[in-house]
Amino acid sequence: NAGVTQTPKFQVLKTGQSMTLQCAQDMNHEYMSWYRQDPGMGLRLIHYSVGAGITDQGEVPNGYNVSRSTTEDFPLRLLSAAPSQTSVYFCASSIGTGLEQYFGPGTRLTVT
Amino acid sequence: TQLLEQSPQFLSIQEGENLTVYCNSSSVFSSLQWYRQEPGEGPVLLVTVVTGGEVKKLKRLTFQFGDARKDSSLHITAAQPGDTGLYLCGAGTYKYIFGTGTRLKVLA
Repeated sequence: NAGVTQTPKFQVLKTGQSMTLQCAQDMNHEYMSWYRQDPGMGLRLIHYSVGAGITDQGEVPNGYNVSRSTTEDFPLRLLSAAPSQTSVYFCASSIGTGLEQYFGPGTRLTVT
Repeated sequence: TQLLEQSPQFLSIQEGENLTVYCNSSSVFSSLQWYRQEPGEGPVLLVTVVTGGEVKKLKRLTFQFGDARKDSSLHITAAQPGDTGLYLCGAGTYKYIFGTGTRLKVLA
């Protein structure tokens, strides 16, 4: 059981580039979410999904897209990277809404 | 908009001291979780509290859920350097949110 996996672990992008952060879970969890964590701050919700084919916006969705074609995968797409998107990104999953979240190891993204 | 406010933001104490961290909201939650995060890693679940007034113990950590299910506290007895980390409370339904965190440093 790998739990929640994220790739890549580190990424450097130039302003305007696009990329996809990958997230997968093997626990058959319905709920998946993406957070960003900035220095000295807690976790802010970007997008979430309550099941395959269903996604919705969190607190800070601008500049990010998501899709959920399978229960296992929940990729996060940066459309046109900006320095303000420099952050650590965490993917999480849960068996249902409002329940304990299980986190991946994070992706440290730097946009120059 | 639901918010979770944690206090204090930072705490630096000597080994053996006791401490309490608070998590407050104006919203009612059906359950609330506490997590600990270490540098370079994702948060790891410590406990879930569900019932108003509930108290749960995890070794030297005591968690309490407020009677109205709007607030919670984490008390650590006789803190040790291994307790150092970022403590986060989390709750929500469709939008699962986190508190701002309490960064704890326990000095040997």
